[in-house]
Amino acid sequence: DSGVTQTPKHLITATGQRVTLRCSPRSGDLSVYWYQQSLDQGLQFLIQYYNGEERAKGNILERFSAQQFPDLHSELNLSSLELGDSALYFCASSPQSGLAGTNEQFFGPGTRLTVL
Amino acid sequence: GQNIDQPTEMTATEGAIVQINCTYQTSGFNGLFWYQQHAGEAPTFLSYNVLDGLEEKGRFSSFLSRSKGYSYLLLKELQMKDSASYLCAVRHNQAGTALIFGKGTTLSVSS
Repeated sequence: DSGVTQTPKHLITATGQRVTLRCSPRSGDLSVYWYQQSLDQGLQFLIQYYNGEERAKGNILERFSAQQFPDLHSELNLSSLELGDSALYFCASSPQSGLAGTNEQFFGPGTRLTVL
Repeated sequence: GQNIDQPTEMTATEGAIVQINCTYQTSGFNGLFWYQQHAGEAPTFLSYNVLDGLEEKGRFSSFLSRSKGYSYLLLKELQMKDSASYLCAVRHNQAGTALIFGKGTTLSVSS
């Protein structure tokens, strides 16, 4: 158990719908990352927040947005869902935002999203 | 941009040694990570290299050559439970502290 929690574990929805995925980082970690993992693309970085502020953006679609709240939990919002958005969505957390040291990321169990 | 290459699949037998290679092309390199991921589960951290050389941790070792853009993960005394996907990831100094992952190497260990 990494200490990172994600809800829900599974989500099945229809095209065009909107969903919200939730993540609680490990106690004391200030950075939260969102990744998408599909069979053909592997694990892809979407977005990073540090202490409530957006820190870096990866391959995140405009239909997707995220935020980190004062209690440090984060939500990833996916809208106008398409079949291709079906994937495992992982949240990870790390203690810092700087590049010094290992600052390894601890991954949550993921949310499996199925768009029908 | 970044490009990370690793073999798609490898097979080995219990008790053997296997080396999983990873090559990368990226500017702004700030560390290379290896993660293990069992099917349907979260990736778990195995090792980190930022300087050239070998890092050893029990049955697992990881090597980095920054000039060659090359790393490998060495797994010794293979066990059935080592059957998993092994992900090579680079930390880029202009992407916050996010990791850019390769597509992973699926290792199958047989008895």
